[in-house]
Amino acid sequence: EDQVTQSPEALRLQEGESSSLNCSYTVSGLRGLFWYRQDPGKGPEFLFTLYSAGEEKEKERLKATLTKKESFLHITAPKPEDSATYLCAVQAYNNNDMRFGAGTRLTVKP
Amino acid sequence: DSGVTQTPKHLITATGQRVTLRCSPRSGDLSVYWYQQSLDQGLQFLIQYYNGEERAKGNILERFSAQQFPDLHSELNLSSLELGDSALYFCASSVAVGGETQYFGPGTRLLVL
Repeated sequence: EDQVTQSPEALRLQEGESSSLNCSYTVSGLRGLFWYRQDPGKGPEFLFTLYSAGEEKEKERLKATLTKKESFLHITAPKPEDSATYLCAVQAYNNNDMRFGAGTRLTVKP
Repeated sequence: DSGVTQTPKHLITATGQRVTLRCSPRSGDLSVYWYQQSLDQGLQFLIQYYNGEERAKGNILERFSAQQFPDLHSELNLSSLELGDSALYFCASSVAVGGETQYFGPGTRLLVL
């Protein structure tokens, strides 16, 4: 069965303190790995899609990387507005649903 | 703004009742997905429709059903509601049938009393 595990569950950073969020996955034939940001009570907001090991994508202070077993979301010099829950999801070739991890709740203090 | 719209934003109802949640996908998207998000379960895939046909089924209860209409909007019907059905329900859409990015709507918050 496809599984997605995100760590840590919660992360508190000072403004400007860079860090990484981890997403470990087990899937039979990865079709795509997706990162979303979710603010409380709102819908997940798309960040990145990664399709193959070695692929990297960047957007402002965020950079996502992918290996055959895990993905990292690197946050460089975070700001308080980066505070949110970051969700990782995988989709396999043998089905159309997305399996989500439980998320990492990031708090960035000024 | 993802371009996906959902109505209503909030819904309060009683146990045993039936409700209908509505979703309009982004312009040009043919697939609609429904998800349930509760505090203890995280984001759970319920069902997918592509161009009017059911394409994938996840952890959807028999009391729940969905359909996608010719104009591509979708409705999720929840019946015989229980307290445990209280959750956020999200709709997402994508261009094709699978593998593409899914864009999420703002959600409907359902409270069953």
